[in-house]
Amino acid sequence: QVLLQESGPGLVKPSETLSLTCTVSGGSVSSGSYYWTWIRQPPGKGLEWIGYLYYSGRTNYNPSLESRVTISGDTSTKQVSLRLNSVTAADTAVYFCARGEIAYLFNHWGQGILVSVSS
Amino acid sequence: NFILTQPHSVSESPGTTVTISCTRSSGSIASNYVQWYQQRPGSSPTTVIFENNQRPSGVPDRVSGVIDISSNSASLIISGLSTEDEADYYCQSYDGSNRVIFGGGTKLTVL
Repeated sequence: QVLLQESGPGLVKPSETLSLTCTVSGGSVSSGSYYWTWIRQPPGKGLEWIGYLYYSGRTNYNPSLESRVTISGDTSTKQVSLRLNSVTAADTAVYFCARGEIAYLFNHWGQGILVSVSS
Repeated sequence: NFILTQPHSVSESPGTTVTISCTRSSGSIASNYVQWYQQRPGSSPTTVIFENNQRPSGVPDRVSGVIDISSNSASLIISGLSTEDEADYYCQSYDGSNRVIFGGGTKLTVL
């Protein structure tokens, strides 16, 4: 059974970088043809796709965030990371990591982590 | 790119059937598969329909999905409603570059 767990700071200051980690248990970042995806949800609002990392190392990002986002993987630590630069209050959200065998399918989700952007 | 429009909320009585629509703004709804996710308060979303009309294992057959080319929309249909169906439902599709797009979500109330 694959379990995903997001971790990182719950509070980030405006203009700084948001950094989150998704730790995988029951699987590896590089094994299998999987897409490792980050999705966020502002409080009381809907879901927004941030982007994915394919097991081969290829990435694909939401055009609205592409200039500020990086998703990378560390096969040695079974972790997938999200970095979002120059954050503002609009980046306050619950951030989910998810895994799927196809880019548009999310079969496994983490529980999510709330990140607030505030000084 | 296109957007997916859902009603903000719907409400129905227990035992009845609800249909939640998801309308694609441009391009054909049939061009890319549509998925549906259920999200209960405080929980992560779970897939209830994938690839337009496929149910993951564990999802009851009273949950179904359909697309309608004439209205350029997808619909999630839940029959035999119970209070356990109360949740937010999101449709989702993707573009030609595999960039994922979510609908705004529909809050289903069963009362």
